[in-house]
Amino acid sequence: QSVLTQPPSASGTPGQRVTISCSGSSSNIGSNYVYWYQQVPGTAPKLLICRNNQRPSGVPDRFSGSKSGTSASLAISGLRSEDEADYYCAVWDDSLSAHVVFGGGTKLTVL
Amino acid sequence: QVQLVESGGGEVQPGGSLRLSCAASGFTFSAFGMHWVRQAPRKGLEWVAFIRFDGSTEYYADSVKGRFTISRDNSKNTVSLQMNSLRAEDTALYHCAKDFIQWRDYGLVGTWGQGTLVTVSS
Repeated sequence: QSVLTQPPSASGTPGQRVTISCSGSSSNIGSNYVYWYQQVPGTAPKLLICRNNQRPSGVPDRFSGSKSGTSASLAISGLRSEDEADYYCAVWDDSLSAHVVFGGGTKLTVL
Repeated sequence: QVQLVESGGGEVQPGGSLRLSCAASGFTFSAFGMHWVRQAPRKGLEWVAFIRFDGSTEYYADSVKGRFTISRDNSKNTVSLQMNSLRAEDTALYHCAKDFIQWRDYGLVGTWGQGTLVTVSS
């Protein structure tokens, strides 16, 4: 069971906007930056969003991130078939054993 | 461009040891913390360990603490993961990864390597 809670699946049709949530606690999302990663099956993960809402160079502006309190969200607008992938949130956790925590991942299906 | 190439994976019996290595290039290695992250077959990502850019601090997941040791050699641009007392549940693809921001005491993953497969089985 992951420290960060994500829905196991999400779906949308091409052109739609979908959001993926990530719920944590005061020791992780509540006090640190949230990162999001995209993993296309069979490939290594790729950084999509850093520091809650910033896009690294090369990431399309269709992808956006937000954070409020102990929850965060990834939004994908203008959904495309190539967006079909697994998405993970991650954050540093300041609890007794300081470490990085990942969400369980959300499998996005483009219908 | 940033390149992270892992090696050292393979099959080992429970209780055995394995040492993974990661050769880094395309960036100032000594300025960035480094991570190991693993992914068991058909499972999600699990962070394993982090080492500060200068090697002075290490962090470990509770699941590997006391069994795994992360180290780095800034003169050779390599980071390693010594894995002892391996268990079946350590079976996974192990990714070497570069921290996103330089000169940090701790941080999150920026760039990932393709991974090396570790199988623990009798």
